[in-house]
Amino acid sequence: EVQLVESGGGLVQPGRSLRLSCAASGFTFSSYSMNWVRQAPGKGLEWVSYISSSRTTVYYADSVKGRFTISRDNAKNSLYLQMNSLRDEDTAVYYCVREDLEYVAGAYYYYGMDVWGQGTTVTVSS
Amino acid sequence: EFVLTQSPGTLSLPPGERATLSCRASQSVSSSYLVWYQQKPGQAPRLLIYGASSRATGIPDRFSGSGSGTDFTLTISRVEPEDFAVYYCQRYGSSPPRTFGQGTRLEIK
Repeated sequence: EVQLVESGGGLVQPGRSLRLSCAASGFTFSSYSMNWVRQAPGKGLEWVSYISSSRTTVYYADSVKGRFTISRDNAKNSLYLQMNSLRDEDTAVYYCVREDLEYVAGAYYYYGMDVWGQGTTVTVSS
Repeated sequence: EFVLTQSPGTLSLPPGERATLSCRASQSVSSSYLVWYQQKPGQAPRLLIYGASSRATGIPDRFSGSGSGTDFTLTISRVEPEDFAVYYCQRYGSSPPRTFGQGTRLEIK
């Protein structure tokens, strides 16, 4: 069964750090690009960060740039999100998400974010 | 900055009716890069449509997507009780690399 399981969420004070982990199983993790997507309470989806399958390319939303770092360990089938200088507005459910993106003959083919974890809750509050 | 605007914010329909959800982009989007998701309360989102019009694995054929340029539509031909949820469109691109619309809530009338 294809599965993503997040961990590491919790209650943290503003300005502190937290590291989220995501364990992948049931598919060849090293072949897929991955994302973190978050959802604040009662709000919509917000894309946070992207990492390519080979780790060579990373992107961040402006709201987290300079504070969050995405990484992956393909040998451990794991995705991470290091979150520093946390703010109240970072409070959300954080989803680990697999993306189906292919680069063939000079063109990208996008098939969407096709596997989502159940999410881990991060609460930033004093 | 690129923005996806979904309308209406809330759509109230009885089961069996046709639902039409709109996603408008602030700049032209390649149809290949426009995706739709469904999210039910307390659950993670689920991929519905990719490439603007291709159904993901296991998605019933009452769901269809269409559109091009800046205007895209998700249609549910006859809404079933399990379809009441929030729907999001999303673009793969640049600046920013991934963008979600704010969502449309489909509720029972």
